Amino acid sequence: EPEVTQTPSHQVTQMGQEVILRCVPISNHLYFYWYRQILGQKVEFLVSFYNNEISEKSEIFDDQFSVERPDGSNFTLKIRSTKLEDSAMYFCASSEVRGAAGNTIYFGEGSWLTVV
Amino acid sequence: GESVGLHLPTLSVQEGDNSIINCAYSNSASDYFIWYKQESGKGPQFIIDIRSNMDKRQGQRVTVLLNKTVKHLSLQIAATQPGDSAVYFCAERGLNFGNEKLTFGTGTRLTIIP
Repeated sequence: EPEVTQTPSHQVTQMGQEVILRCVPISNHLYFYWYRQILGQKVEFLVSFYNNEISEKSEIFDDQFSVERPDGSNFTLKIRSTKLEDSAMYFCASSEVRGAAGNTIYFGEGSWLTVV
Repeated sequence: GESVGLHLPTLSVQEGDNSIINCAYSNSASDYFIWYKQESGKGPQFIIDIRSNMDKRQGQRVTVLLNKTVKHLSLQIAATQPGDSAVYFCAERGLNFGNEKLTFGTGTRLTIIP
């Protein structure tokens, strides 16, 4: 079964450092997302991406965050200068189409980011 | 503000029994609801979904019920198995372009007792 893959599975970084989390969405999917989950809390939406541009973003997704699809398969989340409160599990997700019922959003296994 | 929330944070059920997980939502404009299962250290896994024009949908061992009058959603799992132990999230979203983000509830931890 096709799946969303994410790397790294776990990264420890010092406060102020830049981090890039990588994702390979399901190959025929066109709509991509990043969500995050702080330990013990609910999953929160960060950003959605379609047709090489951001289509929607949350308040969490400030100027320190950026997303990119550098080639035909990868989708990345960059945090420019990490803060302690950025420590969380970051989930990449993808879906085949947009705006339709039954448009299942598939999640990756997550990248656990620890900022020290 | 709009929110999706859960009534109970934990639920323990004897193996083989049925379980019911509840969810309340407050966004009356929600069109589409999804239940996800999250096992420890893994990403949310799609279980079942339902559109706002339906009140019941069945899958394999799972049933989702939607009561739009009281803005309530439930997930029924029949004949529970140890592998059903996980955190279950309800999520809601719109169906229009530009409004597809998922809003998750806080989650219910289901524990199946052998």
